[in-house]
Amino acid sequence: GAGVSQSPSNKVTEKGKDVELRCDPISGHTALYWYRQSLGQGLEFLIYFQGNSAPDKSGLPSDRFSAERTGGSVSTLTIQRTQQEDSAVYLCASSLDGVEETQYFGPGTRLLVL
Amino acid sequence: GESVGLHLPTLSVQEGDNSIINCAYSNSASDYFIWYKQESGKGPQFIIDIRSNMDKRQGQRVTVLLNKTVKHLSLQIAATQPGDSAVYFCAETFSGGYNKLIFGAGTRLAVHP
Repeated sequence: GAGVSQSPSNKVTEKGKDVELRCDPISGHTALYWYRQSLGQGLEFLIYFQGNSAPDKSGLPSDRFSAERTGGSVSTLTIQRTQQEDSAVYLCASSLDGVEETQYFGPGTRLLVL
Repeated sequence: GESVGLHLPTLSVQEGDNSIINCAYSNSASDYFIWYKQESGKGPQFIIDIRSNMDKRQGQRVTVLLNKTVKHLSLQIAATQPGDSAVYFCAETFSGGYNKLIFGAGTRLAVHP
C-alpha cells in the first residue's frame, strides 16, 4: 500500500508568514509523529498523536508551533510568524499504534524561511 | 537529558568491504533501538531494530549488536554496495515514552568502487 506522504515537498516563505505542512499517514496507522531535521543534524521529536489526541507535545519549540489531526488520519503542522531558525526538513512518521514501535517516515517537507 | 550519539561522523569504505557504524546511547531506560538509513532528499528508511533483551539481531546483509553494559549499539553491513551510501541514524526509545524516537546526529557512509 501507499506509504506516508507529505506536502508540499518544498516550501519557501518570508519571515513572519504562516505556513501549513501536511502529513498523510499510512492507512490504518493510529500513531503519528512529527520530527524536525535541521541541516546536518539528527531528527528532533516535535509531537505525537494517538488518534486525534496529542498526549505528547513536549518537542514543540515554541507557541508559534501547533499541530492537529482530524479523522484519525491527516495531520497539519502549522508554524506561525515563521523565523529563519525554523528552516529545516519537517518529517512525519506513522506507526500502527503507540505500542508497535516501528515508525515509517514520509519524504519530508523542506522549509526555507528567508 | 537523554541523548544518542555517534562515534564517527563519516565512514568511507571500499565496495565489497564490511562496514561498521557505531552509536552510543546514554539512557539506560531505553529498551528499543532502531537503525534508519536516509538517502539524500528522502525520509529515513527503517533498516533493523533490536530490543534490550537481545544482544544481536541479523537481517539481510545487516547485523545490529547491542551492548547494554557500555550502552553501545553498532550496525554491521556485509559486502557494502554503492547503494548503501547514505546517512545512517541510530535511534532509541523506551516504554512509557509514547515511543518517540531520540536520534543521534548520523553517520555518513560513502562507498567507493
